[in-house]
Amino acid sequence: AQTVTQSQPEMSVQEAETVTLSCTYDTSESDYYLFWYKQPPSRQMILVIRQEAYKQQNATENRFSVNFQKAAKSFSLKISDSQLGDAAMYFCAYRSALDTDKLIFGTGTRLQVFP
Amino acid sequence: ETGVTQTPRHLVMGMTNKKSLKCEQHLGHNAMYWYKQSAKKPLELMFVYSLEERVENNSVPSRFSPECPNSSHLFLHLHTLQPEDSALYLCASSRDRRSSYEQYFGPGTRLTVT
Repeated sequence: AQTVTQSQPEMSVQEAETVTLSCTYDTSESDYYLFWYKQPPSRQMILVIRQEAYKQQNATENRFSVNFQKAAKSFSLKISDSQLGDAAMYFCAYRSALDTDKLIFGTGTRLQVFP
Repeated sequence: ETGVTQTPRHLVMGMTNKKSLKCEQHLGHNAMYWYKQSAKKPLELMFVYSLEERVENNSVPSRFSPECPNSSHLFLHLHTLQPEDSALYLCASSRDRRSSYEQYFGPGTRLTVT
């Protein structure tokens, strides 16, 4: 069974600085998708960024980028120029290309942003 | 944020009560999901519906009973719950079940069982 591990329960960053959230996963499959979701306090979970395992190029979305290391099964999220609105729980998630129903989540990392 | 709505946002119920959670998606999606989010635990997938048919029941106790009357609405009927069922219940939808499509989440219902 696939698992997703987020080893940092909490992280903090100064406004305008850069922070990296780590995520590792375990799978025997070669075709899958990886996601980072953001859940602000009392607000809806939204997709931040998505990576297809077959793509070597790291995904980027404005200030958010990933470092996808397929051999190491690592999928970290880098937030550049952090803003107060980035404060939230961040969840790393895995979805198999074969078992398409299960989105497997990590336990989350709470990010605090200080002015 | 109005693509997937959930009501009520907060619910307190006794162990002998019967209540229902409602989810509605306005995105024209064909797949809908119920998740349970407990503190310090990963989100747990409970049920999956595709084109109004249940395709996944992830070993969920029978005190949780889903219903999908049409592709836009999803219910979770609750009865004789236990205190450990207290959690945030999230509904999500996606265009279909294919893994490349992202899931859009609702704001959740915070359930407290007393």
